[in-house]
Amino acid sequence: AQSVSQHNHHVILSEAASLELGCNYSYGGTVNLFWYVQYPGQHLQLLLKYFSGDPLVKGIKGFEAEFIKSKFSFNLRKPSVQWSDTAEYFCAVNGYGGSQGNLIFGKGTKLSVKP
Amino acid sequence: GAGVSQSPSNKVTEKGKDVELRCDPISGHTALYWYRQSLGQGLEFLIYFQGNSAPDKSGLPSDRFSAERTGGSVSTLTIQRTQQEDSAVYLCASSSPGLERYFGAGTRLSVL
Repeated sequence: AQSVSQHNHHVILSEAASLELGCNYSYGGTVNLFWYVQYPGQHLQLLLKYFSGDPLVKGIKGFEAEFIKSKFSFNLRKPSVQWSDTAEYFCAVNGYGGSQGNLIFGKGTKLSVKP
Repeated sequence: GAGVSQSPSNKVTEKGKDVELRCDPISGHTALYWYRQSLGQGLEFLIYFQGNSAPDKSGLPSDRFSAERTGGSVSTLTIQRTQQEDSAVYLCASSSPGLERYFGAGTRLSVL
């Protein structure tokens, strides 16, 4: 069965610090990978996605993620965080061969950025 | 509509009662998904509708949970004989096939 692990439950950073949130998945086949963000009081929204091609994908608000197939990882990065990045971040995977509906989410990482 | 609309936004019910949660997807989106978000547990897939195909119900946690989608648009998630462990935020999302899912704001269900 597919699963997604997010290593950190809660990350606290100061503004301008660099961010890396870990995400590992278990699925041996071709995958689609996603990072979603949920700002306080708002809907879940897509930050970035990887389907194929360049394993370094860029998303909104300066975020990027790198797909490393050999490590089954899709870590999220941002060189310099802002207070407005305070949110909960969810990694998700949809493996080919599984139901298109079954997007498996990690448990989320809460990011708190101190001004 | 402009986005995925869910109602009610909050629902408080007594243990043993039935509840219905509604989702109105983005117009034209053929795919509709229900998820459950529990504190510290991330998002749990419940059910998926795609067009006129039979829904994928593999994520429904028990036979007390059911969902339907009428006319390929609005969906209703029904929980019968609610239990306290059903308390969670129920999220609906819609998409065009294979494309980005757009999420609603969710229904926060509290079972007393």
